[in-house]
Amino acid sequence: EIVLTQSPATLSLSPGERATLSCRASQSVSSYLAWFQQKPGQAPRLLIYDASNRATGIPARFSGSGSGTHFTLTISSLEPEDFAVYYCQQRSNWPYTFGQGTKLEIK
Amino acid sequence: QVQLQESGPGLVKPSETLSLSCTVAGDSISTYYWSWIRQPPGEGPEWIGNIYYSGSTNYNPSLKSRVTISVDTSKNQFSLKLTSVTAADTAVYYCARESPLEKALVYYLDYWGQGTLVTVSS
Repeated sequence: EIVLTQSPATLSLSPGERATLSCRASQSVSSYLAWFQQKPGQAPRLLIYDASNRATGIPARFSGSGSGTHFTLTISSLEPEDFAVYYCQQRSNWPYTFGQGTKLEIK
Repeated sequence: QVQLQESGPGLVKPSETLSLSCTVAGDSISTYYWSWIRQPPGEGPEWIGNIYYSGSTNYNPSLKSRVTISVDTSKNQFSLKLTSVTAADTAVYYCARESPLEKALVYYLDYWGQGTLVTVSS
């Protein structure tokens, strides 16, 4: 099973700042990686797929990069609604797995 | 607009069987893949398994001996059964659609149900 390790566990930033979230895979997942945003009481929402493609309706301030075992989600300028938990998920090998999440909180 | 809705008991006794259904609206279940994912309180999501409309399934090896996912095309529904549950199976259970997004290399989870909390307790 591929293990995804996200860092940091918690990121404290202010609106307007840039956020950089990391996801490392225990073995290569090529570009078969997605990023999700989850707010309390809601289902995860797809932000990025194939490591760098934005899903429909996702603002341009969200961008993804990486391939192989190291991936990054960047939010260029934080909006108040961006404070949430973010998960990476690999779609390379079954069972598909999620990271443990990064909580983005307001500083 | 695609909508998914989970339904089933919110409380299941230990050693019994958890049964949930997912009703799909706005799309035919005879397309793509359909998944069950669960999320224990305070933890990350865990993929339980998926099913293609033809009936072909994939199950997480950690749950494979206890899981059955089935599809009913006449009702546009798919279902989850998890046997011999314990407190460790307490989680929010989500159903979701996997589809080939624009320029995507593989299928991704693009539509999710709102989730249903299932508690295992006597």
